Amino acid sequence: ETGVTQSPTHLIKTRGQQVTLRCSSQSGHNTVSWYQQALGQGPQFIFQYYREEENGRGNFPPRFSGLQFPNYSSELNVNALELDDSALYLCASSLGGLAGNEQYFGPGTRLTVT
Amino acid sequence: DQQVKQNSPSLSVQEGRISILNCDYTNSMFDYFLWYKKYPAEGPTFLISISSIKDKNEDGRFTVFLNKSAKHLSLHIVPSQPGDSAVYFCAASDFSSGSARQLTFGSGTQLTVLP
Repeated sequence: ETGVTQSPTHLIKTRGQQVTLRCSSQSGHNTVSWYQQALGQGPQFIFQYYREEENGRGNFPPRFSGLQFPNYSSELNVNALELDDSALYLCASSLGGLAGNEQYFGPGTRLTVT
Repeated sequence: DQQVKQNSPSLSVQEGRISILNCDYTNSMFDYFLWYKKYPAEGPTFLISISSIKDKNEDGRFTVFLNKSAKHLSLHIVPSQPGDSAVYFCAASDFSSGSARQLTFGSGTQLTVLP
């Protein structure tokens, strides 16, 4: 069974630029959630994708967007990067958009905005 | 407005003793609770969960207790081992974000188990 993988591991971008982060779900999982973890805090929910549709969204602006592909892998896109976007971005996969209680996390992508 | 709170940023325990990590929540719509463990440079790892219809769930050395009237849950680790040293996150789950079951996390407690 393959776990959740994310790429890249680390990324440095300049304010105003755009970034794309990638996630491959655990085998058999059809739901992907994205979280932002700032230093010293717990992860915060950005949005969730279920069967290629956005299934719910947290308190993040529209410049945070995503995609889910037929193989259930996913992308997180952030436009017009701000310094406060510097954080660890975590992807989590689960089974079932409505019933997936346990979410399994990837190692994260560390984004630094300068 | 923090809906899930872990008021102890850190906890140190001797090897072999019990570790008790605490978590409080304010949202009565939460119906499922989870504990995750996180090592540096890794994503959170699922440990144990409990439904709001139960008050206790046990898995090996790990037991989670839920007190709904107090909106409080705790994770007990017995006996504690040095490999348990990590940041522990409490998370609560509901359908507040449309049809998505989102997790709301506390800020974490750093557990250090001393040999």
